[in-house]
Amino acid sequence: KAGVTQTPRYLIKTRGQQVTLSCSPISGHRSVSWYQQTPGQGLQFLFEYFSETQRNKGNFPGRFSGRQFSNSRSEMNVSTLELGDSALYLCASSLELSTATYEQYFGPGTRLTVT
Amino acid sequence: LAKTTQPISMDSYEGQEVNITCSHNNIATNDYITWYQQFPSQGPRFIIQGYKTKVTNEVASLFIPADRKSSTLSLPRVSLSDTAVYYCLVGDPQRGGNKLTFGTGTQLKVEL
Repeated sequence: KAGVTQTPRYLIKTRGQQVTLSCSPISGHRSVSWYQQTPGQGLQFLFEYFSETQRNKGNFPGRFSGRQFSNSRSEMNVSTLELGDSALYLCASSLELSTATYEQYFGPGTRLTVT
Repeated sequence: LAKTTQPISMDSYEGQEVNITCSHNNIATNDYITWYQQFPSQGPRFIIQGYKTKVTNEVASLFIPADRKSSTLSLPRVSLSDTAVYYCLVGDPQRGGNKLTFGTGTQLKVEL
């Protein structure tokens, strides 16, 4: 079974631009979560989508948004990029909530650099 | 979500057993304890999850005492490839959804 895939793997953007990252979950997984990882703040939860609906949201500004499509693929968008948005963005997928597990499968991440 | 406390770092040698303890004094009744492993520039990988007593899989064992205020991840006979950051998470997946709250983790370094 193919794992979680994220595209692109690396990205360089300039302050003020916007960026869209893509995530394809494991086949059959309906939940997709996004995380930001930086050396200073560690791994932080951004949001989670389940069946095309945002189910959980972390403490990030409104510049960070996401969506999920009917095939469970997900995108996240960051508008008006700031230097502090430079980070590794990770996507994770999992089965339905009723499995009572925190077992999530992470993708390799997208390394975003804002200059 | 319950706050967790882990050692910042640990050192070991190949072939030894490594035990990483996590403290979670305010764990709630429905909370589970989950451990993840992360290598540099990769996403975290699920290792093991438990609720009470002992859980074992092909990779590790998880020991949880009766009061559940702490837990210990045990890695048998570690190798160099086990050098990674290990995260302890506590929460109720059926209530909190799939929102994982990661702490600072424990950097395990395995040497020859």
